[in-house]
Amino acid sequence: KNEVEQSPQNLTAQEGEFITINCSYSVGISALHWLQQHPGGGIVSLFMLSSGKKKHGRLIATINIQEKHSSLHITASHPRDSAVYICAVGRGGGADGLTFGKGTHLIIQP
Amino acid sequence: SQTIHQWPATLVQPVGSPLSLECTVEGTSNPNLYWYRQAAGRGLQLLFYSVGIGQISSEVPQNLSASRPQDRQFILSSKKLLLSDSGFYLCAWSPLTYYNEQFFGPGTRLTVL
Repeated sequence: KNEVEQSPQNLTAQEGEFITINCSYSVGISALHWLQQHPGGGIVSLFMLSSGKKKHGRLIATINIQEKHSSLHITASHPRDSAVYICAVGRGGGADGLTFGKGTHLIIQP
Repeated sequence: SQTIHQWPATLVQPVGSPLSLECTVEGTSNPNLYWYRQAAGRGLQLLFYSVGIGQISSEVPQNLSASRPQDRQFILSSKKLLLSDSGFYLCAWSPLTYYNEQFFGPGTRLTVL
């Protein structure tokens, strides 16, 4: 079992829909990241959070430390939101990098 | 402001050929540096990380090696590429003492034929 599990793996929705992507992890963490990867491969960091909720524009990220679960929400989705969304966790034990989920491939159709 | 560079952006190499990918960071000192790989159909995986010049930690046994000859330079190498080395290679850096905050480079897409 992977230490970081994302669902769904693939999601196709219509423009304007509310989108939710889920991430569950099985290890203790010091921080959780949501990343966005466009078709060219470049990765953009959307959020880093260790508790509660963060909002940036139409994106909202929440985390429940007790349940080891995080969600990424997109309100009023738009075709330009189409990308792969990746959940990653930092263990906090040292500078030993992140552990990544396999990503959720999101397509927003006009 | 800090900037991270990777080159080349794309690379096509024959099996058995050597590899050298370079990553440099500007605008910060003493960063932690990382090499990640994304193989086809798989998630990103940590390959190497470095907390200082000449200090390399390897996460996964493989056909690759890493070096850090200067504070802000990180190099990924192979003497003989395998087909399974194909993938998307990402360099990242984090502040020395706040290693949870990571910043990613643009990546190198490597195809081994």
